[in-house]
Amino acid sequence: QVQLKESGPGLVQPSQTLSLTCTVSGFSLTSYNVHWVRQPPGKGLEWMGRMRYNGDTSYNSALKSRLSISRDTSKNQVFLKMNSLQTDDTGTYYCTRDSHWAPFDYWGQGVMVTVSS
Amino acid sequence: DIQMTQSPPSLSASLGDKVTITCQASQNINKYIAWYQQKPGKAPRQLIRYTSTLVSGTPSRFSGSGSGRDYSFSISNVESEDIASYYCLQYDNLRTFGGGTKLELK
Repeated sequence: QVQLKESGPGLVQPSQTLSLTCTVSGFSLTSYNVHWVRQPPGKGLEWMGRMRYNGDTSYNSALKSRLSISRDTSKNQVFLKMNSLQTDDTGTYYCTRDSHWAPFDYWGQGVMVTVSS
Repeated sequence: DIQMTQSPPSLSASLGDKVTITCQASQNINKYIAWYQQKPGKAPRQLIRYTSTLVSGTPSRFSGSGSGRDYSFSISNVESEDIASYYCLQYDNLRTFGGGTKLELK
């Protein structure tokens, strides 16, 4: 069955870089897009960016200067790196599967990231 | 970037009520809107895609409509399990979420 699972550090210091991994199973990264979505505590969902099935990437313009998404298809993994973290980057980070006919149909459980010294 | 304005931010309803949430896009999104339900501590769950297509497992009391820039999502006969937050998502050009609507019991 389709599964996505986020992993990464729960605590990051201000000004440091966040590195997260989304490990997928049950589908191919060369057939579906994988997106990253985040949610500050008690607030709404924010689209961050995507890795398309063909290897292209797109980013939220508000995060573009700090964000990088890459993948390793042999390991079924998609990576997120975001630099210059601040306290308002605290929140739950999700990866989600996507296609143009079925947007965000499967989600990971999310990983909570706290930015604090 | 396309902006999505969702209203109301919160909604109070009694069991059995009909509630409606709206999303307005900053430009025509060609019916490429989806709706998600999120309960506390859980990942969002897709309910509707392409304006009005219910995904497998979505109860028929949920519905969606709209075109162009203006879209709506309704729950008829609200049940206790519907108490959650709801989000619209445009997927015509990249992706943008609406601000969310928190549905509470009156």
